[in-house]
Amino acid sequence: RKEVEQDPGPFNVPEGATVAFNCTYSNSASQSFFWYRQDCRKEPKLLMSVYSSGNEDGRFTAQLNRASQYISLLIRDSKLSDSATYLCVVKAGGGYNKLIFGAGTRLAVHP
Amino acid sequence: NAGVTQTPKFQVLKTGQSMTLQCAQDMNHNSMYWYRQDPGMGLRLIYYSASEGTTDKGEVPNGYNVSRLNKREFSLRLESAAPSQTSVYFCASSPDGGDTEAFFGQGTRLTVV
Repeated sequence: RKEVEQDPGPFNVPEGATVAFNCTYSNSASQSFFWYRQDCRKEPKLLMSVYSSGNEDGRFTAQLNRASQYISLLIRDSKLSDSATYLCVVKAGGGYNKLIFGAGTRLAVHP
Repeated sequence: NAGVTQTPKFQVLKTGQSMTLQCAQDMNHNSMYWYRQDPGMGLRLIYYSASEGTTDKGEVPNGYNVSRLNKREFSLRLESAAPSQTSVYFCASSPDGGDTEAFFGQGTRLTVV
């Protein structure tokens, strides 16, 4: 079983739609969680960190459920520019900074 | 602000050739990483370095060696390239601490023929 699993998609949605991505992780000792965005043939870049209480950044909302080892990302009012691959990332704790990436979920927003 | 710099950006090798991918960061980060990315596979960790002089195997270390001689630089070496090592390679660095962002280089597109 992979340490971080995501639905690969693609998710094809119209502009203005709300779309949600899910991610599960297997290491219960994981302590930090992130969503990264990757555009085609480019390097990944941080979209947002994910906190236990849930957090929001504009149209993006991230949630963490430690009991179920589950992370989600909600995008509201989708824009054409949101088309990208979204990567779920988990970092082990205890001073061990290894970052493990999910395979990514591809989003395509169309007019 | 250079951030993370990888060289080369593109490379074609013949099977059996060797090469070293270079990575340098100017952000004084302790942690550095090498990933490879193949279609549909996401980023898979090859090697990780928590600090100067230390390295740790990741998910797919076979066929690779790394060197962290100083805090800035973390190199990845292919001793005898194989077609299965055709991939995009990303180097990254991050500061210590839980909620810290990793910064990536622009990637090296390697083709082994």
